[in-house]
Order: sequence, then structure tokens, then C-alpha cells
Amino acid sequence: DVKVTQSSRYLVKRTGEKVFLECVQDMDHENMFWYRQDPGLGLRLIYFSYDVKMKEKGDIPEGYSVSREKKERFSLILESASTNQTSMYLCASSHIYEQYFGPGTRLTVT
Amino acid sequence: DAKTTQPNSMESNEEEPVHLPCNHSTISGTDYIHWYRQLPSQGPEYVIHGLTSNVNNRMASLAIAEDRKSSTLILHRATLRDAAVYYCILRVPSNNDMRFGAGTRLTVKP
Repeated sequence: DVKVTQSSRYLVKRTGEKVFLECVQDMDHENMFWYRQDPGLGLRLIYFSYDVKMKEKGDIPEGYSVSREKKERFSLILESASTNQTSMYLCASSHIYEQYFGPGTRLTVT
Repeated sequence: DAKTTQPNSMESNEEEPVHLPCNHSTISGTDYIHWYRQLPSQGPEYVIHGLTSNVNNRMASLAIAEDRKSSTLILHRATLRDAAVYYCILRVPSNNDMRFGAGTRLTVKP
């Protein structure tokens, strides 16, 4: 079975902190994605990556950056966390069309 | 990007068929139609996808209109475990990113 793991299920950070969300997949997938999910808004794509060291902006990249140094790992970085970044963050990976999602990280910024 | 429109919510009775509609009037000729669902407290999971012809798998059936401007996900016998948010998404074959909307929240009544 494909497994996508995220470093934390729940995270609480203070405004202004630098936050790292880690995602690891074990199926050698080329493509990896970061979404955030908010009530009534569904999933919104933040960034995605087609290969190591490559990244593409999604619909809402402002306030975020990403890093993909190894194929299996895709990190989402909040340089200076703000309260409006309180959300559920979901990571996914895919080979061709089917995306496999991790369990999500619920981030609260106070 | 082509958009999809789905009802916010639907209800069904257990063991009855459910037809979840999706409108995508601006679909282009090469866009694939994907369906995912998200169970409570989990990341989304792939359900089915198609291009022009109707598709069946162990989870569901996908009926695609002849003009491809709409599609319907069919659950043949709804169970309580099918209660979830169902997302209809268009995927451009040249890339692998997908844009999720707000989806349809399906409630299954015993």
C-alpha cells in the first residue's frame, strides 16, 4: 500500500514563528502536493513539485515556501506564521493521475 | 482552468442508490473527470475517473454526458460508511495538479 506520512497530526505555533511541515511518501512518486483545507472552501492547492528541486505555485502560495531535496520528501515552510494560516494541511503524492493523501496536520497559530 | 459545480449537500437512505451530479460546462476536450471522497478525519481518497465513456469499478460508477458538460457519480447501494464529502475535479493531462472545489457532503440515513 502507498503510504504518505506527515510529521505531526496536531501542531500549535505562535505568530511569527517559522514552521516546517514535513511529508514523506514511500512509493517513489515523482509528484507531490501541498493543500490547505478550510471549512466551506474545500482543498486549495498551495504548491506542488514534479521532481526533486522543482516546484510550482498553486492557487494560494503567498506566505508559504517549499523544499524538495529528496524525491520522497516534500516540506512546506511558513516563514513567519500568522493566525490566518491556521488550517488543516494535507500532503499528497502521485505517479500519474491518482493522488494519495496523508492524514493531514491541523495547525493552529496563536 | 475549467471549473466544476456540485450541490453543497445531499442525503440518501442506506442501501439505496445515490446519484451525485457535477457540472463542468467549460471542460476542454482532453480534460479527465476525477472523483475523490473524503471520509471524516481523513485525507481524500481516489474513487474513479473517466474521459468520455462510462466507467465502473468496485467503489462506484461514473456516467459521463455525451457532450461531457456534466457527469454523475453513482453509488449503487449507499452504506453508512459512504458518508463523506465527494469532490468532482477536472484534470488536464499535461500536468498532474488538480483543483478541488468545496464538494458535496453526502449524508446517509439508516
